Amino acid sequence: DTAVSQTPKYLVTQMGNDKSIKCEQNLGHDTMYWYKQDSKKFLKIMFSYNNKELIINETVPNRFSPKSPDKAHLNLHINSLELGDSAVYFCASSQGQGVGNTQYFGPGTRLTVL
Amino acid sequence: KNEVEQSPQNLTAQEGEFITINCSYSVGISALHWLQQHPGGGIVSLFMLSSGKKKHGRLIATINIQEKHSSLHITASHPRDSAVYICAVRQYSGGGADGLTFGKGTHLIIQP
Repeated sequence: DTAVSQTPKYLVTQMGNDKSIKCEQNLGHDTMYWYKQDSKKFLKIMFSYNNKELIINETVPNRFSPKSPDKAHLNLHINSLELGDSAVYFCASSQGQGVGNTQYFGPGTRLTVL
Repeated sequence: KNEVEQSPQNLTAQEGEFITINCSYSVGISALHWLQQHPGGGIVSLFMLSSGKKKHGRLIATINIQEKHSSLHITASHPRDSAVYICAVRQYSGGGADGLTFGKGTHLIIQP
């Protein structure tokens, strides 16, 4: 049983396109996150959602928009893709917020923008 | 903003050696995570600490809140321990939710 799943695993696309990455968790968690790992392997938080409410949004371009149709899903939509968007994107989830909540990570989606 | 520093950045050791990876952070936190990223890219959460020490198999994680420092130890290291180990901290936010702030990772290679 996969706890946190992402699709697709690999995504290759042209500059200027619009694409989406899907994330689903079957853990019953109420907080989900998106992280970006750049070419230097440095991870950075992009968004988190708690009970379908966006609660943090780091300095991410507004071309990126998270969409949560329900508590188990947090999809990432990216408009007008740029070369610099090439990275691995990780989804994660945790039960609750604040102190002491382990985050469970998805397998990652490697996005390549040509 | 919390700064998370890990050392060493790269570590190569022989099978069986005792391994220590260090993590320091600049601002008080509510919890610290140790993550493992395998060459295939998947990330696994190893430990979540807010105080003291935790042990799981050959892995031991400790944290000193006063010194703002944590260590991850691997006993009897094995080539399958080769991975990137990432320290991540969550700051106390008075009830709001925060994501994690990550260190840059320690690339560990265990040679047979």
